[in-house]
Amino acid sequence: QVQLQQSGPGLVKPSQTLSLTCAISGDSVSSNSAAWNWIRQSPSRGLEWLGRTYFRSKWYSDYAVSVKSRMTFKPDTSKNQFSLQLNSVTPDDAAVYYCVRVGHNGSLLYWGQGSLVTVSS
Amino acid sequence: EIVLTQSPGTLCLSPGERATLSCRASQSVSNNYLAWYQQKPGQAPRLLIHGASSRATGIPDRFSGSGTGTDFTLTISRLEPEDFAVYYCQQFGGSPPVTFGGGTKVEIK
Repeated sequence: QVQLQQSGPGLVKPSQTLSLTCAISGDSVSSNSAAWNWIRQSPSRGLEWLGRTYFRSKWYSDYAVSVKSRMTFKPDTSKNQFSLQLNSVTPDDAAVYYCVRVGHNGSLLYWGQGSLVTVSS
Repeated sequence: EIVLTQSPGTLCLSPGERATLSCRASQSVSNNYLAWYQQKPGQAPRLLIHGASSRATGIPDRFSGSGTGTDFTLTISRLEPEDFAVYYCQQFGGSPPVTFGGGTKVEIK
């Protein structure tokens, strides 16, 4: 059974960097059949896909257009986890952030517990 | 981008009744890679249906999905008290690869 455990600060100041980590158990971050996604949810934006990282002989990352210039995913094989960094945050980035593993047919099967992020000075 | 439009926004029903939720895509969904999720307050979404009609592991058979191309339906045959929640559809394969509908809230009448 795959489990995803998220960690990271819940409060970030405007213009600073949001960093979240997703620790994986029951699977490997470098699995050739897995894709590791970040999704956020807010009242204004609903559920929004932010991007994914995955290993297919080498690492790949895809980002949503809305955050592409500010976002970086970092897999860490030594700790079996992956992280999100979002630069230059604004109040519009306030949301619950989820790390998610893809299942069958592109569905989102395994979800982290969610991290509530507030952007405020 | 494939836009998913869910209707109705809210469905008011009684336990034991049948619920029919709609999800319409702005373009055909590749390989019918359409999924449905249930979300309760304070929880992450839970996968119910993938591939438009396949139930995820452990999902009761009162939940069923159907549809193809641009029109999809989630049916709950007889509502149980624990089924009152918000339901989302999601597609995979467009650009961006993942988009969600705006949700349908099923509430107790």
